[in-house]
Amino acid sequence: EVQLLESGGDLVQPGGSLRLSCAASGFPFSNYVMNWVRQAPGKGLEWVAVIGATGGATYYADSVKGRFTISRDNSENTLHLQLNSLRAGDTALYYCAKEGTYIGHAFDIWGQGTMVTVSS
Amino acid sequence: EVVMTQSPATLSVSPGERATLSCRASQSVSSNLAWYQQKPGQAPRRLIYDASTRATGTPARFSGSGSGTEFTLTISSLQSEDVAVYYCQQYNNWPPYTFGQGTKLEIK
Repeated sequence: EVQLLESGGDLVQPGGSLRLSCAASGFPFSNYVMNWVRQAPGKGLEWVAVIGATGGATYYADSVKGRFTISRDNSENTLHLQLNSLRAGDTALYYCAKEGTYIGHAFDIWGQGTMVTVSS
Repeated sequence: EVVMTQSPATLSVSPGERATLSCRASQSVSSNLAWYQQKPGQAPRRLIYDASTRATGTPARFSGSGSGTEFTLTISSLQSEDVAVYYCQQYNNWPPYTFGQGTKLEIK
């Protein structure tokens, strides 16, 4: 069964850092592009970042550029998102989502999400 | 950035009736558009990709149409389990990928 399982969400103070992880199973992880998408409470979906299959290409939403870093460990079938300089506006449920074999496809598999709350 | 605009924000439809959801792009996205369904407390699920291709497991009552800047998701005969928020997403002009704000579908 194809599965994505996020972890690492927590309550953190403004200015703090957090590292999210997404464990993949049931498909050849190293062949696929991966994304992070977030959803603030009661709001819509916002794309955050994408990373190519080999990890060589990364792109970010303007709202997180310079603060967040997407990475992957293909030997461990794991996707990461490093969140630095967190703000209240970063409070959201963070989903990882699988894409195609190259950037520019719909997201066919989503995890259940991990909650990040930024508050003092 | 391509802005995706969905209408209406909320749609109420009687069981068995047709539901029509719209999505408009601020510039052409060709056929690189997907529709997702998000039920309360659940992750989004891909329903339609490439504007009109049903994903595996998507019931035949769901259909997608359109290209360029105007897209439609149609549910031919609404079932109670179709109550959800529906999002469109373009993946033609990136980064960023962009989503519409969602249409909440209710049972009348």
